[in-house]
Amino acid sequence: QQQVKQSPQSLIVQKGGISIINCAYENTAFDYFPWYQQFPGKGPALLIAIRPDVSEKKEGRFTISFNKSAKQFSLHIMDSQPGDSATYFCAASIKGGDSNYQLIWGAGTKLIIKP
Amino acid sequence: NAGVMQNPRHLVRRRGQEARLRCSPMKGHSHVYWYRQLPEEGLKFMVYLQKENIIDESGMPKERFSAEFPKEGPSILRIQQVVRGDSAAYFCASSPNYGGELFFGEGSRLTVL
Repeated sequence: QQQVKQSPQSLIVQKGGISIINCAYENTAFDYFPWYQQFPGKGPALLIAIRPDVSEKKEGRFTISFNKSAKQFSLHIMDSQPGDSATYFCAASIKGGDSNYQLIWGAGTKLIIKP
Repeated sequence: NAGVMQNPRHLVRRRGQEARLRCSPMKGHSHVYWYRQLPEEGLKFMVYLQKENIIDESGMPKERFSAEFPKEGPSILRIQQVVRGDSAAYFCASSPNYGGELFFGEGSRLTVL
């Protein structure tokens, strides 16, 4: 129930196309859903995040779609560019017993944008 | 405002030696997380600390691994008697007062010969 399931494991998209990465969860107590981007040899960096009171959040070419009833959320990258090639992680946070939040991570999606 | 600083960036140890990885969180951040990442794999939570306290060490092996975050100075992840299976990238992250937004360092890559 604490898992976040991410798919696909890897994804190849043509330049200019739409990249879509999906995540699903079981625990309805999750209340914060961030996406992190990781380039090779670097640490993950927060890309965009959403809370369950909204169904969509857009920042530039990046959009999170959130379906509370289905317990799913996805990352859409519009007009994908070679510079978007990276590994993307979804995550969900749940309030811990001592009032601090902890993140549950998806397994990651390796995205390759072909020029 | 400097980001999360980790050192060393690369560390080579022989089996049986000790590895010490250091992490200085962002200014004003009192929460530190350590993660391990194997090549082509996701992040595995190890331990979550606040100043002078270990909050959650459920992801850390009970033997050979320890972590601390003293009142002064960086957080330290210590691996005693390293084995080849400890070879991985170890990432530190910090947050101001909740776990949702983590700021990661660039990692320390441990190679055990």
